[in-house]
Amino acid sequence: DVKVTQSSRYLVKRTGEKVFLECVQDMDHENMFWYRQDPGLGLRLIYFSYDVKMKEKGDIPEGYSVSREKKERFSLILESASTNQTSMYLCASYPMGGSRRNTGELFFGEGSRLTVL
Amino acid sequence: AQTVTQSQPEMSVQEAETVTLSCTYDTSESDYYLFWYKQPPSRQMILVIRQEAYKQQNATENRFSVNFQKAAKSFSLKISDSQLGDAAMYFCAYRRPTGGYQKVTFGTGTKLQVIP
Repeated sequence: DVKVTQSSRYLVKRTGEKVFLECVQDMDHENMFWYRQDPGLGLRLIYFSYDVKMKEKGDIPEGYSVSREKKERFSLILESASTNQTSMYLCASYPMGGSRRNTGELFFGEGSRLTVL
Repeated sequence: AQTVTQSQPEMSVQEAETVTLSCTYDTSESDYYLFWYKQPPSRQMILVIRQEAYKQQNATENRFSVNFQKAAKSFSLKISDSQLGDAAMYFCAYRRPTGGYQKVTFGTGTKLQVIP
């Protein structure tokens, strides 16, 4: 089974702190994503990566950056956390489009609930 | 840009009854995937069912089935014989299938309550 693991389920940080959220997948997927989930807003894409060291902005990239140094790991970075970044963060992955492994399904981690005080 | 709309923020159903969750989408593409994902409380989001737009036959997975109306851009999920374990947030999602990477667009979700 595909496993997507997010390093922290719950975090509490203070305004201005630097925050790292890490995600690791074990199925050799090329594409990895960070979403933010807020009530009434659904899932909004922050950043995605289609290869090592490659990244693309999603719909709400402001205040976030990402790092993908290895294929299996995709990190989300909040350089200076703010209270409006309190949210649930979901990491997801899927294989390269056009590959036989790609059924279109996104595989999700369990989520990281971040509270910024 | 593609948009996905779920107009029912919350729904409830009696155990063993049938419920239908609505989803509409907007796209200019002719080929795409549609999905329903389930997110149980404090648990991982998982795929419930997938529909490929070029397939006219509605997808079915056990108690879950869809009513895919391509012309109307509608993609509803029917849950038959509802069980307590079906209580969750349900998200409708859209994705283009063609190569490389493709963004997945989600609706705002429907919270389903199952009443014993």
